[in-house]
Amino acid sequence: EAGVAQSPRYKIIEKRQSVAFWCNPISGHATLYWYQQILGQGPKLLIQFQNNGVVDDSQLPKDRFSAERLKGVDSTLKIQPAKLEDSAVYLCASSPGTGMETQYFGPGTRLLVL
Amino acid sequence: GNSVTQMEGPVTLSEEAFLTINCTYTATGYPSLFWYVQYPGEGLQLLLKATKADDKGSNKGFEATYRKETTSFHLEKGSVQVSDSAVYFCALRDYGGATNKLIFGTGTLLAVQP
Repeated sequence: EAGVAQSPRYKIIEKRQSVAFWCNPISGHATLYWYQQILGQGPKLLIQFQNNGVVDDSQLPKDRFSAERLKGVDSTLKIQPAKLEDSAVYLCASSPGTGMETQYFGPGTRLLVL
Repeated sequence: GNSVTQMEGPVTLSEEAFLTINCTYTATGYPSLFWYVQYPGEGLQLLLKATKADDKGSNKGFEATYRKETTSFHLEKGSVQVSDSAVYFCALRDYGGATNKLIFGTGTLLAVQP
């Protein structure tokens, strides 16, 4: 079974530019998560989708971050405009159903904002 | 709010040494507890979990027991190997309506020397 796929793996941009990350969850998984992992900290949930609906986006900085999950499968996370403090690893995870099960993580996208 | 505190690293051990990584939590109710491991360049992998008090999670020689009286979930292994070198994250699952987010500690880097 293929795991969670993410791209790109690395991205370097200048502040005020925009960037987008892509995630393809494990086939059939209904729940998808985006986490932000700043260096030296644990991952923090940004947004949780159940199929293509948002369950929790309380920690998403909505003035600059947006996410969508079209057709309940792939998801895109966008930052516009980026700030220096957005430098982090962005992790995507998925779980099979209601979200009470184990979450499976992708390899992450490492973003550096200069 | 709910939170996880784990011992700071790095933890440096010789091969075959005994490992303990401390983790304590603050939570309302009865959360599920997890240990995730992150090998260099890879995503987070679930190592073990426990869903109720006195449960013991175990995997690959690692163990952790859910202690409600001390609000702890310490990770132990009797004899570490070089291949165990990684960052270990303690986490709890926060139940709040439909959300299923994981709340992570800051991670502990383990370096095992031959």
